[in-house]
Amino acid sequence: DGGITQSPKYLFRKEGQNVTLSCEQNLNHDAMYWYRQDPGQGLRLIYYSQIVNDFQKGDIAEGYSVSREKKESFPLTVTSAQKNPTAFYLCASSPTAWQGNYGYTFGSGTRLTVV
Amino acid sequence: KNEVEQSPQNLTAQEGEFITINCSYSVGISALHWLQQHPGGGIVSLFMLSSGKKKHGRLIATINIQEKHSSLHITASHPRDSAVYICAVRRAQKLVFGQGTRLTINP
Repeated sequence: DGGITQSPKYLFRKEGQNVTLSCEQNLNHDAMYWYRQDPGQGLRLIYYSQIVNDFQKGDIAEGYSVSREKKESFPLTVTSAQKNPTAFYLCASSPTAWQGNYGYTFGSGTRLTVV
Repeated sequence: KNEVEQSPQNLTAQEGEFITINCSYSVGISALHWLQQHPGGGIVSLFMLSSGKKKHGRLIATINIQEKHSSLHITASHPRDSAVYICAVRRAQKLVFGQGTRLTINP
C-alpha cells in the first residue's frame, strides 16, 4: 500500500545534539512538507519541497535544515540552533504544490523530546 | 486573530448525539480540508472541499465560500469518533491549519 513512513515514532536526544527525522513516501508525489505541532496550537510549516533538489522555508524554518536528493525522501534535521525542539513533527506529501484540487497524505509523526 | 478559527476547542458528547464542529477563515482559499488526528498522532484526511457539501458514511462536510465558513457534522456519534478534528485551508502552495477541536464521545 502506498503511504508515508516516518521514523522513529519516538526520539530522545540530549540538548545540543543535532537529530535527523526520516520521511519516506512511495506515492510518487512531487511535493513534501514538514510541520511542527505544539500543544494547543495548529500545525506550523517548517519547510516544503516542490521538486527534487529544491526546497523552501516555511513559517518557522530557523534551527532546521532539510534535503531532497530523492523524490521519495525528505529528511528533516533539527539542529542545536533550534531553541525549543521538543515537539511532534509531521511529514506530508501531495501530488503537486501548484494550484489545483489535490489531497494531502500525512505520516504518523515523530515525537521528539530533548532532555 | 488566527487566519483559521475552529469552534468549539473541546466538545464532549454522549454516544448517538449529532456533532457539529465549525471552521471560519479570513483569507481567500482554493480549498478547505478536514483532518482527523487520533491519540497516536497520525493524521487522516477526511474531506477536501472547494464548494457545497460532501458526505462519507456518518460524516458530512459543508462549505460556504461567501461567508468563509465550513462545518463538519457527525451523525450517530460513536466513541471511536473521539479524536482531534482539524480544519485547514489551502492558500497558494501552503496549508494553514486551525488549532483543532478535541472531540470526546462517551458511551
